[in-house]
Amino acid sequence: AQKVTQAQTEISVVEKEDVTLDCVYETRDTTYYLFWYKQPPSGELVFLIRRNSFDEQNEISGRYSWNFQKSTSSFNFTITASQVVDSAVYFCALSGFGNEKLTFGTGTRLTIIP
Amino acid sequence: SAVISQKPSRDICQRGTSLTIQCQVDSQVTMMFWYRQQPGQSLTLIATANQGSEATYESGFVIDKFPISRPNLTFSTLTVSNMSPEDSSIYLCSVEGSPGPQEETQYFGPGTRLLVL
Repeated sequence: AQKVTQAQTEISVVEKEDVTLDCVYETRDTTYYLFWYKQPPSGELVFLIRRNSFDEQNEISGRYSWNFQKSTSSFNFTITASQVVDSAVYFCALSGFGNEKLTFGTGTRLTIIP
Repeated sequence: SAVISQKPSRDICQRGTSLTIQCQVDSQVTMMFWYRQQPGQSLTLIATANQGSEATYESGFVIDKFPISRPNLTFSTLTVSNMSPEDSSIYLCSVEGSPGPQEETQYFGPGTRLLVL
């Protein structure tokens, strides 16, 4: 069975601070995908990144960066120089290769205080 | 990624009634997915809908309660039947990206916010 744990239910930081959202996963699959999605107050789910299990390179996209560590089954997400527009609920998710079913974590509500 | 629209965007319904939610995609896709997000909760997959075949339901969801249609490769509907307040949720449809780098990534519609009184 697959499981995704986001232990941080809510985080608040002051604008321009850096913040890291934690994600720990469990799977018996040897190949799998990890995802991060953003859900702003409007409700839509916005895709941010997909990472393959065989690619442990960290990725940076602007102010966003992701740290994938297979040894600790973690896929953490860091926002540098946070902005008010980053306020949202962030979901980490997992799926197996060729298995379309997404298993979501419970989400982390991030509030950026101006 | 595909452009996905849902109708209605929100609705308030009386218990015992049914609501049909539409999901339209601007390109042909093989699989469409329906998720439920109860208030303050994560997303749970309801069913997977392939064009031309019966939808596949996840544990805890049944066709009588959540009938799904998939008449073509760009459209699907989800009906929430005989609603109760516990059905108050956001319902989201999703599709996989086009073949290539976007494949096996799901992209989501804007969601339908349902409140059952």
